[in-house]
Amino acid sequence: EAGVAQSPRYKIIEKRQSVAFWCNPISGHATLYWYQQILGQGPKLLIQFQNNGVVDDSQLPKDRFSAERLKGVDSTLKIQPAKLEDSAVYLCASSLQTSGTGNTGELFFGEGSRLTVL
Amino acid sequence: GDSVTQMEGPVTLSEEAFLTINCTYTATGYPSLFWYVQYPGEGLQLLLKATKADDKGSNKGFEATYRKETTSFHLEKGSVQVSDSAVYFCALSDFRGGKLIFGQGTELSVKP
Repeated sequence: EAGVAQSPRYKIIEKRQSVAFWCNPISGHATLYWYQQILGQGPKLLIQFQNNGVVDDSQLPKDRFSAERLKGVDSTLKIQPAKLEDSAVYLCASSLQTSGTGNTGELFFGEGSRLTVL
Repeated sequence: GDSVTQMEGPVTLSEEAFLTINCTYTATGYPSLFWYVQYPGEGLQLLLKATKADDKGSNKGFEATYRKETTSFHLEKGSVQVSDSAVYFCALSDFRGGKLIFGQGTELSVKP
């Protein structure tokens, strides 16, 4: 079974430039998450989708970050303009969870996209 | 809000030593608790979980018991191997949104 796919694996940009990350979740998984993992810290949720609707984006810096999940499958996370503090690994995860049932199950993570902002 | 606190690392042990990584949480309601592991160069993967008080999760020789009275979920292994070297993350999820809230991670290094 194919896992969560992410690209690119690595990206180096200068501050004020833009960047986009792509995620393809496991087939059939209704819920998709984007997490930000800064070096030495645990992952922090940026946004959660249920199919193609947003469930939680309370910690997404909406002045510079945006995300979409068209057709309830693939997702793209964009940063524009990037700041130095955006240097991190961006993790995509998916799960089978359906709305209202809560998460007693497993999140499946991709290998992440490492962003360096110079 | 909900939060998870783990013991700081790095933790360095000799092979066959006993491992404990402490994890405590703050949450409203009754969360599910998880340990995830990140091996070098790989993505996060679920190690074990417990969904209610007094449940014990176990996998690959690791164990953790959901202790509601002490709001803890400490990870233990009786005899670590070099291949256990990784970063371990404690996490919780509530019944509402399903998202995971992670601790800061504990790096484990096992020496032969």
